[in-house]
Amino acid sequence: QSALTQLASVSGSPGQSITISCTGTSSDVGNYNLVSWYQQHPGKAPKLIIYDVNKRPSGISHRFSGSKSGNTASLTISGLQAEDEADYYCCSFAGSTTLFGGGTKVTVL
Amino acid sequence: EVQLGESGGGLVQPGGSLRLSCVASGFTFKNYAMNWVRQFPGKGLEWVSAISGGGGSTYYPDSVKGRFTISRDNSKNTLYLQMNSLRAEDTAIYYCAKNWNYAFDYWGQGTLVSVSS
Repeated sequence: QSALTQLASVSGSPGQSITISCTGTSSDVGNYNLVSWYQQHPGKAPKLIIYDVNKRPSGISHRFSGSKSGNTASLTISGLQAEDEADYYCCSFAGSTTLFGGGTKVTVL
Repeated sequence: EVQLGESGGGLVQPGGSLRLSCVASGFTFKNYAMNWVRQFPGKGLEWVSAISGGGGSTYYPDSVKGRFTISRDNSKNTLYLQMNSLRAEDTAIYYCAKNWNYAFDYWGQGTLVSVSS
């Protein structure tokens, strides 16, 4: 199975909202409500920010929200802040395997 | 506080072997499945293996199946990854990650594996 598809980069100004998409297939994103999202700052390990498509772990800002429609999952960051500049990866359970997206670099202008 | 600490990475020649370890603390280790996830130099992530809490079930993607073996010692709160027949394309940072609701809620700091002659 192939990796999930993400745009390489997205940018926005402080205070704006941006949405990162993650496209899979009916065998992964479309078949399971088990999509998670990870934020990674340079030199750091990935950090879980969304699980089960739209749930936030304790301590994660309400500015982060997730959704899914068909084979595409989305992460929305509202009220963009300088600290949100990072790489973001989606991930989906796919039965016998687990797939990651290629990552999206978010730049705060 | 949950902590995961990997070790065992290094430079190895193609065809060689390496064993990674991950020591866990701050949670009841035996109650959780654990994973290895790697990050390539180009930054992409790939799930490498998973093991159930008791160690009886293991899972691998096709890219490492037959070459990598995940195991755990619950008495030592330690996760392992035995990597054999290493290839240049296995070069990556290897993270251990705790499983939770089909997601990875805690990650270690990673250990670098370089496969080169």
